[in-house]
Amino acid sequence: SAVISQKPSRDICQRGTSLTIQCQVDSQVTMMFWYRQQPGQSLTLIATANQGSEATYESGFVIDKFPISRPNLTFSTLTVSNMSPEDSSIYLCSGGQTTYEQYFGPGTRLTVT
Amino acid sequence: SQQGEEDPQALSIQEGENATMNCSYKTSINNLQWYRQNSGRGLVHLILIRSNEREKHSGRLRVTLDTSKKSSSLLITASRAADTASYFCATAPGNRDDKIIFGKGTRLHILP
Repeated sequence: SAVISQKPSRDICQRGTSLTIQCQVDSQVTMMFWYRQQPGQSLTLIATANQGSEATYESGFVIDKFPISRPNLTFSTLTVSNMSPEDSSIYLCSGGQTTYEQYFGPGTRLTVT
Repeated sequence: SQQGEEDPQALSIQEGENATMNCSYKTSINNLQWYRQNSGRGLVHLILIRSNEREKHSGRLRVTLDTSKKSSSLLITASRAADTASYFCATAPGNRDDKIIFGKGTRLHILP
């Protein structure tokens, strides 16, 4: 198993600004992912964070809006750029040794005003 | 398309009663997982059941899997107020390179 922490836990931001969310895993993991959960909805995968290379984005998500870094096997960041109220969501990172056994962080609740 | 679909979308029961939630999916899977999410929090992994398993238990949780019907159920026995949360099933496709897909979730409310 893996224990995942995220910072910040929540933030209120003004439209047009950017926020970087950090995800730290207590052990090395092969896979790391970023999800978005809009109010009252399920989780939607944003991208797979690849160590040392560009992230792999899902349909509907682009690097310019959600740049992701993963410098090593225990850490990743997601930036939400040029925010609008529609970006208000919970953002969760997950990690694991395979795509189908993942452990989740506590999430970052973002409100854009 | 979304893989897992939970049923019901919302469920309210009295404390002490059993709660049953169902999940149906469309394609073959490697495993199916259930997660709990308390309001505004992250996901807590509850249980994973593999495609060659039919039933698993963990404390007050019982999960069944019927691959012929492409469905799973999560039973919480002797419910408590702390069980109030949203419950999601997530399916891992048979192809190892594919990602897990979450259902829409069941919102469970335990009444005092």
